[in-house]
Amino acid sequence: DAKTTQPTSMDCAEGRAANLPCNHSTISGNEYVYWYRQIHSQGPQYIIHGLKNNETNEMASLIITEDRKSSTLILPHATLRDTAVYYCIVGLKTSYDKVIFGPGTSLSVIP
Amino acid sequence: SAVISQKPSRDICQRGTSLTIQCQVDSQVTMMFWYRQQPGQSLTLIATANQGSEATYESGFVIDKFPISRPNLTFSTLTVSNMSPEDSSIYLCSVEDQGSYGYTFGSGTRLTVV
Repeated sequence: DAKTTQPTSMDCAEGRAANLPCNHSTISGNEYVYWYRQIHSQGPQYIIHGLKNNETNEMASLIITEDRKSSTLILPHATLRDTAVYYCIVGLKTSYDKVIFGPGTSLSVIP
Repeated sequence: SAVISQKPSRDICQRGTSLTIQCQVDSQVTMMFWYRQQPGQSLTLIATANQGSEATYESGFVIDKFPISRPNLTFSTLTVSNMSPEDSSIYLCSVEDQGSYGYTFGSGTRLTVV
């Protein structure tokens, strides 16, 4: 079973920040938090990952709580192209650790 | 980032037949992963393929139904055998991206069994 829980769906107005929460209360000390998204009819796309510090890249920001039991993916200025299913996944930083997907959050960006 | 070429992109097959899906990666990778995504559902891991050894299957998936080959560090195939309409899904392969530490996915094979 997936080790994370996410809301089933969310809406966000175009141009506003989209804040996608994820709970991972059973995360272990050496597991990372990864975020992927899947735009309709495409394979999942890696967005960002982090261990305990907040991270930012050209796509998004990842805020991880101090106890590491939850995190938030932030898309600072959502566009219609950001409409997708977003998956929060915890796992080890190695190719030997399989990626297990939960149901994810379906984000709809509304004009 | 690693680039994956997955073929075919889609196919319509008769029940009882088999389809082999190919994944070619532009760099050498240790592990390759195969997923199934049923209509409206999330991705489910089928198996993990390590070069030179038998694939490791997840619960609910068996080698007779989904045989996997991994002849070298850049290529793998997944065969869906003796297909039924319940096998209609998108099948995807995935590899670790050494550059980003995330995983890269192929564009998927959309299979319809009639």
